[in-house]
Amino acid sequence: DIQMTQSPSTLSASVGVRVTITCRASQSISSWLAWYQQKPGKAPKLLIYKASSLESGVPSRFSGSGSGTEFTLTISSLQPDDFATYYCHQYNSYPWTFGQGTKVEIK
Amino acid sequence: QITLKESGPTLVKPTQTLTLTCTFSGFSLRTRGVGVGWIRQPPGKALEWLAIIYWDDDKRYGPVLKSRFTITKDTSKNQVVLTMTNMDPIDTASYYCAHINWRNSGADYWGQGTLVTVSS
Repeated sequence: DIQMTQSPSTLSASVGVRVTITCRASQSISSWLAWYQQKPGKAPKLLIYKASSLESGVPSRFSGSGSGTEFTLTISSLQPDDFATYYCHQYNSYPWTFGQGTKVEIK
Repeated sequence: QITLKESGPTLVKPTQTLTLTCTFSGFSLRTRGVGVGWIRQPPGKALEWLAIIYWDDDKRYGPVLKSRFTITKDTSKNQVVLTMTNMDPIDTASYYCAHINWRNSGADYWGQGTLVTVSS
């Protein structure tokens, strides 16, 4: 199975700063990577798919990059609504797997 | 507009079988490239893939013990059913179903989820 490792596990940041979350795959997944945002008690929301494609309706401050085994999610200017947990997810090969999550907290 | 909704018992006893139903609208499971998947999330923990069923009845299961899971579809009712046998307290989790856009955006629409507690 492909292991997905996110870093950091927790991130404390202030409104307006640039934030980067990294996700590493244990083997190449090409560009079959998605990023989700999840708030407490809610279902995950798709932000980015195919590593860098922005889902319709998602603010442009979110961007994704990478291919192969290393990927990043960047929030260009952190907004109050962005405090949440973020998950990466590989859908290159079965079984599909998720990272362990990165919680973005208010500093 | 694509919507999905999970339904089933909120409480099951250890060793019992859990049956969850995902009822969806806004798409058809007869359409090439479309699937429905199940994902769960224990309280305070990460997401975990359970199973996917595709338009052509191809089925894929997650890293959890496959022999406990069965996924089926009823295209006429727009429903996907997940059955899990021999439930254990560690299976306590929120269970989500999601629309799958195969080889494109993946799991792009999710249901609201349903919390299932396993306890005697």
